[in-house]
Amino acid sequence: GAVVSQHPSRVICKSGTSVKIECRSLDFQATTMFWYRQFPKQSLMLMATSNEGSKATYEQGVEKDKFLINHASLTLSTLTVTSAHPEDSSFYICSAAMLSAQETQYFGPGTRLLVL
Amino acid sequence: SQKIEQNSEALNIQEGKTATLTCNYTNYSPAYLQWYRQDPGRGPVFLLLIRENEKEKRKERLKVTFDTTLKQSLFHITASQPADSATYLCVHSWGKLQFGAGTQVVVTP
Repeated sequence: GAVVSQHPSRVICKSGTSVKIECRSLDFQATTMFWYRQFPKQSLMLMATSNEGSKATYEQGVEKDKFLINHASLTLSTLTVTSAHPEDSSFYICSAAMLSAQETQYFGPGTRLLVL
Repeated sequence: SQKIEQNSEALNIQEGKTATLTCNYTNYSPAYLQWYRQDPGRGPVFLLLIRENEKEKRKERLKVTFDTTLKQSLFHITASQPADSATYLCVHSWGKLQFGAGTQVVVTP
């Protein structure tokens, strides 16, 4: 149980284009979903927290107009990187927490984004 | 500020031995700590959660301890196997999850 999927697993795009990443909780309802970014050999850094049906809460230094987050249902959250640039190239990972056990997050497999 | 520290050096260990990883925290007293495993190019996988009133917790070949006096958690992998090779993350929650940098474990046959 507690499976989280992400799609796509890998994406290469040209600078200036937008990229959408989907995060789904497959076998549970996730009241809260989180988006992280991880650069090589570094810790996961939280970008934003999203609750179903409400606006996401962004961490300091994360541009909300650049990283659009939508949490339309209890099983789906999307992250759109708008006008991507090479410095946005990173590993993006989502996670989901169950209502009954908010302490533990279940992570997706991650999406590798390369902006040329 | 609340801080979590793990040994940044990789731990090389022979198959069958016990790997022990350390997680130290400063400037606060977490109600619980969590340990995750992360393989290269993959998202973290939850392993164990230990609360401050629990001295020890086990799951198969994994054992976690929580010493609030030393402000430390130890993570043990007993009878280690090459498949245990990964980066292990100590995680605390201060409103949101805070990840340590992780310790890479390499188990050689």
